[in-house]
Order: sequence, then C-alpha cells, then structure tokens
Amino acid sequence: QVQLVESGGGVVQPGRSLRLSCAASGFTFGSFSMHWVRQAPGKGLEWVAFISYDGSNKYYTDSVKGRFTISRDNSKNTLYVQMNSLSADDTGVYYCARGASVYSKSDWGNFDYWGQGTLVTVSS
Amino acid sequence: QSALTQPASVSGSPGQSITISCTGTSSDVGSYNYVSWYQQHPGKAPKLMIYEVSNRPSGVPDRFSGSKSGNTASLTISGLQAEDEADYYCSSYTSRTTVFGGGTKLTVL
Repeated sequence: QVQLVESGGGVVQPGRSLRLSCAASGFTFGSFSMHWVRQAPGKGLEWVAFISYDGSNKYYTDSVKGRFTISRDNSKNTLYVQMNSLSADDTGVYYCARGASVYSKSDWGNFDYWGQGTLVTVSS
Repeated sequence: QSALTQPASVSGSPGQSITISCTGTSSDVGSYNYVSWYQQHPGKAPKLMIYEVSNRPSGVPDRFSGSKSGNTASLTISGLQAEDEADYYCSSYTSRTTVFGGGTKLTVL
C-alpha cells in the first residue's frame, strides 16, 4: 500500500533553517510528481511546492519563493524540502502528497495520498 | 492567489443530505476541471474524496458526489452518517499552483 512518512520537523528559531524529508513506499516513486502542503495551527491547507517526477520542474507558492527548495532522490524514494530564513508564519504541519503519474494527462495530480505530517514550530 | 470561498460550517442530521459550496474565479475553478475535495478528521491527514470535479477514488462511498457550475464547485453528501463529521476542503489547480478553500466544518447533529 502507498505510504508517505514525513520527518525532520521540530522547534527552530526565526531565521534558521530546517530540512524535511518524506519517505515513500508502496508505489514507483520515480514515476510520480510530488507536493508539499502545510497547515498552520487551527487553519486551512496551503499548497507550498511541486516537483516533477524527475525533478526537472519545480514550482513554489509566492510566500516561500527564494527561501524553500524542493528536491527529490529517486534512488532513495525520498522527497525533501529545504526551508531557510524561517519565520513564525512558517509554523505548521507539513504534509507531503502524491501528485500525478508520468503517464497522466496532467503532471500536477490530485493529491491522492498524504503523509501523516510533521510539525514545524518557528519560535524564539 | 486568493483562497477559494467555502462556508465556515454546515450541519445536518443523520440520513439527510448537505451541500458544501466552493467559489473561485474564472482563473481557477472556472477555467479548470481540476477541482478536488478533501476530508480531514481532527489530528489526521486530509483524505481525497473527489477529484477532477466529480470523480470518486476507489473506496470512497457513492454518498459523496461533486459538481461544478461556472466558478463554483459543490460537494454533496447524501445519507449523512456520524463518521462524516469532519472538515472539508476544496482545491483547484491554477497556472502551476493549487489554491485551497478555507475549509468547512461539517457537524452531524
């Protein structure tokens, strides 16, 4: 069965960095695009970033452009997001979600599987 | 991109039907048939319930249905059950980004 397991969250001071990981199993990771989505405490969902199946295309929400970098290692079935210059506004649960298969008509996908999330708290 | 507009809350009794609306713009909901709906129970990850406006993933009961007219998408749940009580979010693809709705809390009375 499809499994996505995030890790790397924790408490970090404003201005510092953190790298999150998402370990995938149960499907051919290298054939799917992937996303990061976050949820601030008590708030709604916010799309953060996209990476194509081969890592050649990456897109970000405006608020993280220049600070976050999404990447993947298909040999390790793992998705990453490097988060720099963190602020309190970045606090929340970060989910990885599966996008589309390389065989789909769209590369974006429908977020059909989600991990359990990892909590990032930015606080001094 | 602004968030899609959903009612903050809806409620219904067991067995009844409810509809949750999701209003966007001609740049998102109105332009793409990539509208999805997610169910989220407290402390849990979101679960895909409807994709591409009206398609149900395997395992989702046919009590859940989706539709779209113009810039507004809708999720209808018929035959409400206690376990349907949750937060529901809509989303739409738009120009290399995804925008979510603010979420609707469904209470089963």
